[in-house]
Amino acid sequence: DAKTTQPPSMDCAEGRAANLPCNHSTISGNEYVYWYRQIHSQGPQYIIHGLKNNETNEMASLIITEDRKSSTLILPHATLRDTAVYYCIVRVGGYSTLTFGKGTMLLVSP
Amino acid sequence: GAGVSQSPRYKVAKRGQDVALRCDPISGHVSLFWYQQALGQGPEFLTYFQNEAQLDKSGLPSDRFFAERPEGSVSTLKIQRTQQEDSAVYLCASSLGLGTDTQYFGPGTRLTVL
Repeated sequence: DAKTTQPPSMDCAEGRAANLPCNHSTISGNEYVYWYRQIHSQGPQYIIHGLKNNETNEMASLIITEDRKSSTLILPHATLRDTAVYYCIVRVGGYSTLTFGKGTMLLVSP
Repeated sequence: GAGVSQSPRYKVAKRGQDVALRCDPISGHVSLFWYQQALGQGPEFLTYFQNEAQLDKSGLPSDRFFAERPEGSVSTLKIQRTQQEDSAVYLCASSLGLGTDTQYFGPGTRLTVL
């Protein structure tokens, strides 16, 4: 799987949008971009995934650049409960396992 | 509905003891995964089951690690002769289809080997 690069930590004020970047410059055409998050002492939680189009669900939006070399996860109105480690993962279509990096620790403050 | 459950949530073992960690996947989920998460690191893949078949065990760190899913539902990860380096959180995940679907994770079992 292609490697991803994420900042180790980010801060966000409660109620503001959190924009989490991810670089995946060696991504292949059949690799999807997945985002998971892990709140302290819990298992990872799926957020969203996409191939090349932007995606939105009830939790977040995923913006993928046209060349697919980077993406941004957007939490539109961050709350204290969004404090977690966020993992950006590229995953080959049809292959099973997830390869996690170290992720970005997002701290949402009042 | 019920998610993935794991038991025990915490396990303390003396070095050299055998341990067994249990995973109850979401009912009807075909695929089941085990991951190991060391402190401060992201989860790392251990093994993958499709129903009762273990299709990938490339991530198991040694032959002391053994996993099974005999009836295609509950899975057990067994670690023989535990070592201090086995201390980690062991996470189980399941997915509905043949492995490419969204994986849903359990809360993990924190294993501490003294």
